[in-house]
Amino acid sequence: AQSVTQLGSHVSVSEGALVLLRCNYSSSVPPYLFWYVQYPNQGLQLLLKYTSAATLVKGINGFEAEFKKSETSFHLTKPSAHMSDAAEYFCAVSGRVDTPLVFGKGTRLSVIA
Amino acid sequence: DAGVTQSPTHLIKTRGQQVTLRCSPISGHKSVSWYQQVLGQGPQFIFQYYEKEERGRGNFPDRFSARQFPNYSSELNVNALLLGDSALYLCASSLAPHAGLTYEQYFGPGTRLTVT
Repeated sequence: AQSVTQLGSHVSVSEGALVLLRCNYSSSVPPYLFWYVQYPNQGLQLLLKYTSAATLVKGINGFEAEFKKSETSFHLTKPSAHMSDAAEYFCAVSGRVDTPLVFGKGTRLSVIA
Repeated sequence: DAGVTQSPTHLIKTRGQQVTLRCSPISGHKSVSWYQQVLGQGPQFIFQYYEKEERGRGNFPDRFSARQFPNYSSELNVNALLLGDSALYLCASSLAPHAGLTYEQYFGPGTRLTVT
């Protein structure tokens, strides 16, 4: 079974500051890990994914995440926040074979001018 | 290329009624999954279909059912609606239930269901 815990339901940063959104996972098998972004009244857009290749994964819009097996973490970072980054972010995990995505509860990112 | 499309965008139903939601996957995708997203929560898995067969079911009551058609589009049906069924229903398509290193689901914009 898989599960995801996102630490912090709401994160607020200043424009230009570092963005750090935390995700810890639990999985009984080697996981696939994902970060999705959801803008108001829209569906989910994939930011990046970890599929057992490089542990540092680069995604769209300047985001990246690092898979740390020892810490069971997959935190999302961006060096410099933009106003357009304000949205809801979801971390998700799946197993390798025929298992659906299991999402965390989400973290709302606010960017202050 | 067109992404995942869902219809309707919004709808309002009364308790006890039935509703059908529709999803068209990305061209070439044969797997469709349905998720329920209650306000303030992450999406929760309802069903997955691949090649018209159910491949997975989440922890939802039998009031929820789905099917996939030969053109890989899908319908989600919910009977005897309850207030708690109010949510954003998301459809996602992928090449296959698991496509090796390319396992990736693409989400539609969702259908916002309000039950009064």
